[in-house]
Amino acid sequence: GAGVSQSPSNKVTEKGKDVELRCDPISGHTALYWYRQRLGQGLEFLIYFQGNSAPDKSGLPSDRFSAERTGESVSTLTIQRTQQEDSAVYLCASSGTRVKNEQFFGPGTRLTVL
Amino acid sequence: AQKITQTQPGMFVQEKEAVTLDCTYDTSDPSYGLFWYKQPSSGEMIFLIYQGSYDQQNATEGRYSLNFQKARKSANLVISASQLGDSAMYFCAMRGYNTDKLIFGTGTRLQVFP
Repeated sequence: GAGVSQSPSNKVTEKGKDVELRCDPISGHTALYWYRQRLGQGLEFLIYFQGNSAPDKSGLPSDRFSAERTGESVSTLTIQRTQQEDSAVYLCASSGTRVKNEQFFGPGTRLTVL
Repeated sequence: AQKITQTQPGMFVQEKEAVTLDCTYDTSDPSYGLFWYKQPSSGEMIFLIYQGSYDQQNATEGRYSLNFQKARKSANLVISASQLGDSAMYFCAMRGYNTDKLIFGTGTRLQVFP
């Protein structure tokens, strides 16, 4: 597709379960980002991948959060032992150039932890 | 540490009028980039405009312009000739030196009325 895609669009899980969120960036984009947006709030940076460099994990809130990226394609954000405070929309973005670094966002995954 | 501050939680403007959304930032980086994104109720993040810290002129993109005052560390978004479709959340964001992650403000909800 032409844009960033994310799946699932909605995920409801029980507290304590693990979840995996998937992001397919725009083809050819070397950088991929994960953000979290709690209800009524701004976006919080979680992690980003740039080419083959080590990812910047500085925004991950705890060791229950991890992410992987296969080359310059798909990324998976994993949340282990989910807690109710993990409920949020998880947004993925990708970018192709560093001059402006315009990030193109996906539609997000709405995670609800019961 | 970098910080973005948006002090207006909500703004109202009449259709066809201009509106200014405030954004101030704090950084000690020698160069940086400033962004504005629009988030309609549907949730997608739409890139609007970018300003580099060394750009000599204020950025403009159609009805959007960025009033960049470096000494005051402000990067206000001006929307001219507001339209009903401009009703949305607006986020100011910053990218620091030697990093691609974005730091977002808390957003301003703009409502355009007829």
